[in-house]
Amino acid sequence: AQSVTQPDIHITVSEGASLELRCNYSYGATPYLFWYVQSPGQGLQLLLKYFSGDTLVQGIKGFEAEFKRSQSSFNLRKPSVHWSDAAEYFCAVITGGGNKLTFGTGTQLKVEL
Amino acid sequence: GAGVSQSPRYKVAKRGQDVALRCDPISGHVSLFWYQQALGQGPEFLTYFQNEAQLDKSGLPSDRFFAERPEGSVSTLKIQRTQQEDSAVYLCASSTRTGYEQYFGPGTRLTVT
Repeated sequence: AQSVTQPDIHITVSEGASLELRCNYSYGATPYLFWYVQSPGQGLQLLLKYFSGDTLVQGIKGFEAEFKRSQSSFNLRKPSVHWSDAAEYFCAVITGGGNKLTFGTGTQLKVEL
Repeated sequence: GAGVSQSPRYKVAKRGQDVALRCDPISGHVSLFWYQQALGQGPEFLTYFQNEAQLDKSGLPSDRFFAERPEGSVSTLKIQRTQQEDSAVYLCASSTRTGYEQYFGPGTRLTVT
């Protein structure tokens, strides 16, 4: 079965520093890949997605992610973190012919001022 | 336009009670999904509708869980004889027929005492 691994449960960065959140997936073919953000008491907001084509994708709020087939990874990056980016981030995949999302366990981001 | 809405936002139930959780998807969205998010975990798929047809219910954890979408718009997730392990946030999402992007509601936090 397909799975998504987010190795970092918690990450703390200083405001203005760069950020990289890791995501690895287990699936034979190229899945559809997503990053979502969840603020306390809020639903999930889509940051960006990858289906095919250019492996570097741009999203909202200055985030980007790079698909690396050889590493089965889809890491999320931001050059300069803002305090408002503190939230939980989820990597997710859609595989096969279905539409259901399979999520990782999430990475909690804390931003120090 | 209006996003996905869910009600109630919070529900406390005594063990053994039945509960009903409502989801209003984005107008015109054909597909509707329910996910369960336990504390500290990523969301897990429960069930999926296309219009009024329930196409996948593989994630429903037991026969106490039942979902319906009789007119292809509003959906209700019903949990009978609630147990403590049912305590979680229940998220609803909708998407267009051909789109893989799912738009999430704020969730209903269910606490079973």
